Amino acid sequence: DGGITQSPKYLFRKEGQNVTLSCEQNLNHDAMYWYRQDPGQGLRLIYYSQIVNDFQKGDIAEGYSVSREKKESFPLTVTSAQKNPTAFYLCASSMDTGTPSYEQYFGPGTRLTVT
Amino acid sequence: GQNIDQPTEMTATEGAIVQINCTYQTSGFNGLFWYQQHAGEAPTFLSYNVLDGLEEKGRFSSFLSRSKGYSYLLLKELQMKDSASYLCAVIDSNYQLIWGAGTKLIIKP
Repeated sequence: DGGITQSPKYLFRKEGQNVTLSCEQNLNHDAMYWYRQDPGQGLRLIYYSQIVNDFQKGDIAEGYSVSREKKESFPLTVTSAQKNPTAFYLCASSMDTGTPSYEQYFGPGTRLTVT
Repeated sequence: GQNIDQPTEMTATEGAIVQINCTYQTSGFNGLFWYQQHAGEAPTFLSYNVLDGLEEKGRFSSFLSRSKGYSYLLLKELQMKDSASYLCAVIDSNYQLIWGAGTKLIIKP
């Protein structure tokens, strides 16, 4: 079964700690994305990657870092520099960012709570 | 700036029809998506419009008017499972997806 997996579903951390959220896809998609979703707001793009070993900042990249060492994997690290890290994080993938008709497929999300 | 407007919340009755509107002002236009998102879950694709007109897919239809910067999602024969948020997203001239805040649809028996 092809799809995107994110783990864990719920994550709790103390303030000041870095935390890494995993995202894996077996859809053979080139492009992968990380979004943050807060109540009452649209999805906001954190980072995206079109090919292995390359990624670009989205609208709210400050306090986050990513890597794309394998096509299937795009982990997101929420660093202690991120001022308001508590949110619902969604990972997505698509065949290509340059072709507009390719919809994005989303993972189930990770709800991160930092206290 | 870029902006997508959707109503925050709508209520409808089971078996009825509801129309969820989306207006957008973006730098360029390369298509518009509608996604459904149940609470605490991932968004799932519903439709894609790039040309003006109505696209029908079962109980769901999506309409686009590029000249008016306007789209709507029409849901017919509403079922309780249609209670969800509906997200409108526009692809701008840089092929970036700009997301609306979503419309929470509440279905009552």
